[in-house]
Amino acid sequence: QSPLTQPPSVSGSPGQSITISCSGSSDDVGRYNYVSWFQQHPGTAPQLLIYDVNKRPSGVSDRFSGSKSGSLASLTISGLQAEDEADYYCNSYSTTYTWVFGGGTRLTVL
Amino acid sequence: EVYLAESGGGLVRPGGSQRLSCAASGFTFSRYSMYWVRQAPGKGLEWVASISGDSNFIHYADPLKGRFTISRDNAENSLYLQMNSLRVEDTAIYFCARDLYGEGILDSWGQGALVTVSS
Repeated sequence: QSPLTQPPSVSGSPGQSITISCSGSSDDVGRYNYVSWFQQHPGTAPQLLIYDVNKRPSGVSDRFSGSKSGSLASLTISGLQAEDEADYYCNSYSTTYTWVFGGGTRLTVL
Repeated sequence: EVYLAESGGGLVRPGGSQRLSCAASGFTFSRYSMYWVRQAPGKGLEWVASISGDSNFIHYADPLKGRFTISRDNAENSLYLQMNSLRVEDTAIYFCARDLYGEGILDSWGQGALVTVSS
């Protein structure tokens, strides 16, 4: 159950678009379309942003989008806003009924 | 509105035990799989365990097998995590979360309970 690999940090200016990558393997991201993304502001619980690779729960802005190619999943945030500054985590189903998170990416809005 | 509230956190000595509870409301608890996810101070999220609505399917993260036990009481709308032989590295905020469709879609989370393992 090795964690998925995310960049420790990314940054962007208001209005710009950024992409956070999530690299897995053929045992998780590469095999299943059960990839989710979560946003976490300091001191709060994570919030679901994307599930099943590219689906948004009701209430989540369409500025957030997800995709996957092979064992690499990505979260794109368009039209960056100050409130997007937070930690972002990917998650994937893995073999043998387990789940694995990425190490997290700190997004800084400049 | 879906509401999850963890309780039972606190300070415990290494080798000790702790039982966390998660009270659920606002939805038909028995229809949903539930998860425990933890976060060590300043670190990322880590899946701990999951349990199906009828308790027939239970899974644990490999490093925690044998020490942690997840359970639920659908009559009481409650989820539990029994933690034994606790180690300093188990220090974390423990979140309970609801799985919306049984595919690890964790759409609702509690506020978390802090467990500190220290001598």
